[in-house]
Amino acid sequence: DAGVIQSPRHEVTEMGQEVTLRCKPISGHDYLFWYRQTMMRGLELLIYFNNNVPIDDSGMPEDRFSAKMPNASFSTLKIQPSEPRDSAVYFCASTRAGSYNEQFFGPGTRLTVL
Amino acid sequence: AQKITQTQPGMFVQEKEAVTLDCTYDTSDPSYGLFWYKQPSSGEMIFLIYQGSYDQQNATEGRYSLNFQKARKSANLVISASQLGDSAMYFCAMREATNAGKSTFGDGTTLTVKP
Repeated sequence: DAGVIQSPRHEVTEMGQEVTLRCKPISGHDYLFWYRQTMMRGLELLIYFNNNVPIDDSGMPEDRFSAKMPNASFSTLKIQPSEPRDSAVYFCASTRAGSYNEQFFGPGTRLTVL
Repeated sequence: AQKITQTQPGMFVQEKEAVTLDCTYDTSDPSYGLFWYKQPSSGEMIFLIYQGSYDQQNATEGRYSLNFQKARKSANLVISASQLGDSAMYFCAMREATNAGKSTFGDGTTLTVKP
């Protein structure tokens, strides 16, 4: 398997622009997670899905952030409008049900908002 | 209350020596899994080792072992014979059976291996 795929790997944008991050989970995994990592706040869980349904979005910072999972093989995280404080590395991860299954992380998207 | 606590923000170890990274957890779920991940400076998150709450023996994976003390709710990672490539951030995480898939991560420990 190719692992979790994220695109783009790097994104530089200007404040106010819309940003869309994409994720393809590992086939057969029924959980998908979006994380944000910064030096100041560490690794934060933004939202996660089970069988394409959002289960917990309490970590989404504000209404500017939205996430969708239209099917089992694709998810997006959108920021509109983007702000400089959104600059971070955004990770997507996937796993199967069961407390014994580890999460598989994608390579991350490094977002810089100028 | 924080569910995963990693009390060591940074650790140093001499090359070829062993090092222990601390992790304590809090849960009332009798069934859970404990995980350690490594994040080198390149940024990717790499799964290292898993320990189940019902496992009788401590998990081992090559130079990595997990010192699991259930009564103390601790799951320390032991790296033997440290190598320069072990320099990285290490995260402890827990996944509870009743929490529908979500994992809780600690704040991480930065390990630096000195030559």
